[in-house]
Amino acid sequence: AQSVTQLDSQVPVFEEAPVELRCNYSSSVSVYLFWYVQYPNQGLQLLLKYLSGSTLVKGINGFEAEFNKSQTSFHLRKPSVHISDTAEYFCAVPFYNQGGKLIFGQGTELSVKP
Amino acid sequence: GAGVSQSPSNKVTEKGKDVELRCDPISGHTALYWYRQSLGQGLEFLIYFQGNSAPDKSGLPSDRFSAERTGGSVSTLTIQRTQQEDSAVYLCASSLRGRGLYNEQFFGPGTRLTVL
Repeated sequence: AQSVTQLDSQVPVFEEAPVELRCNYSSSVSVYLFWYVQYPNQGLQLLLKYLSGSTLVKGINGFEAEFNKSQTSFHLRKPSVHISDTAEYFCAVPFYNQGGKLIFGQGTELSVKP
Repeated sequence: GAGVSQSPSNKVTEKGKDVELRCDPISGHTALYWYRQSLGQGLEFLIYFQGNSAPDKSGLPSDRFSAERTGGSVSTLTIQRTQQEDSAVYLCASSLRGRGLYNEQFFGPGTRLTVL
């Protein structure tokens, strides 16, 4: 069975500092991985995705993530955060061969302080 | 172009009442998903429609929940005899297709349901 674990429920950080949001997955099959962002009172927006190929994936708003098969991780990073990055971030994996419906991690609330 | 829209944005109801939540997917998207976001359970899959195929209802939490998709476009999620534990944000998403290589899901803003 597939599952996703986000290790940190809340991450406070100061503006312009680097940040890493951790995600570990469990899957016995080929893996697709995603990070979504949810700004307050809005729906989810795709930040980036790993389908195949290069393990370093670049997304929108300066975020990137690295797929690490040996550690079953897909951590999200940004070298310098802005106040506007304050949001909730979700790691997700699709149910295998079931039409793309997603399993989400519990979410990480990123709070960027001035 | 227009994204996924949902209505109402907020719904407050009394325990025991029925509610209907509406989703308008992006035009041309054949796959439509409903998810629920609640404090205790996080983001959970509820139901998935793909074209004219029978829907995947495996995520519906009880038989009080049902959904339909008319004409392959608009979808309505119905909750009968609402309970306080149904309070959550209900998110709808659509994508071009749901089989084979993954296709990005585009999410609506959600409907916040509060059951008093």
